[in-house]
Amino acid sequence: RKEVEQDPGPFNVPEGATVAFNCTYSNSASQSFFWYRQDCRKEPKLLMSVYSSGNEDGRFTAQLNRASQYISLLIRDSKLSDSATYLCVVNNPHNTDKLIFGTGTRLQVFP
Amino acid sequence: NAGVMQNPRHLVRRRGQEARLRCSPMKGHSHVYWYRQLPEEGLKFMVYLQKENIIDESGMPKERFSAEFPKEGPSILRIQQVVRGDSAAYFCASSLNSGTGGQPQHFGDGTRLSIL
Repeated sequence: RKEVEQDPGPFNVPEGATVAFNCTYSNSASQSFFWYRQDCRKEPKLLMSVYSSGNEDGRFTAQLNRASQYISLLIRDSKLSDSATYLCVVNNPHNTDKLIFGTGTRLQVFP
Repeated sequence: NAGVMQNPRHLVRRRGQEARLRCSPMKGHSHVYWYRQLPEEGLKFMVYLQKENIIDESGMPKERFSAEFPKEGPSILRIQQVVRGDSAAYFCASSLNSGTGGQPQHFGDGTRLSIL
């Protein structure tokens, strides 16, 4: 089983739609979780950290379910500029400064 | 620019030559990570360094690849006797040493290495 698993997509949604991505992780001892976005041929950029109680940043909401070992990202009112690959990231509990990146979920928002 | 600085942005080498990629972390960051990304694939961890120490090199190929992060100056990823399969984007990231672990990493723009 991969340490971090994501549906590669692509998710094709119209502008204004709500879209959700899930990610599962294998090690229950992981403590830190993040979502990054990566545009084509660009560097990954931190989108948001994911906290146990769930957290929101504008149109973006992140949730953590420790019991089921999954993380979700919800994007409301999708914009064309949201088109990117979204990377789920989890820390390695055996070496807490090392992060493990999923292969990403592609989102394409169309007019 | 207070972000992670990588240079060069693009590097072209012929087979058999050496490639040197440089990374200066964000100010105040003492942890540096190198990743490789092939076209249409995800980020692959290569190596994690702190000043003068390699902490985890489990993702580094055993031959031809080496990395350092000296007391002074940038981190260097060195690839000797490059082959076509080394063509990729190489990203460097840095993070704070907060002692609590699991800090987010901030990425540089990457170096795109092309082998002729």
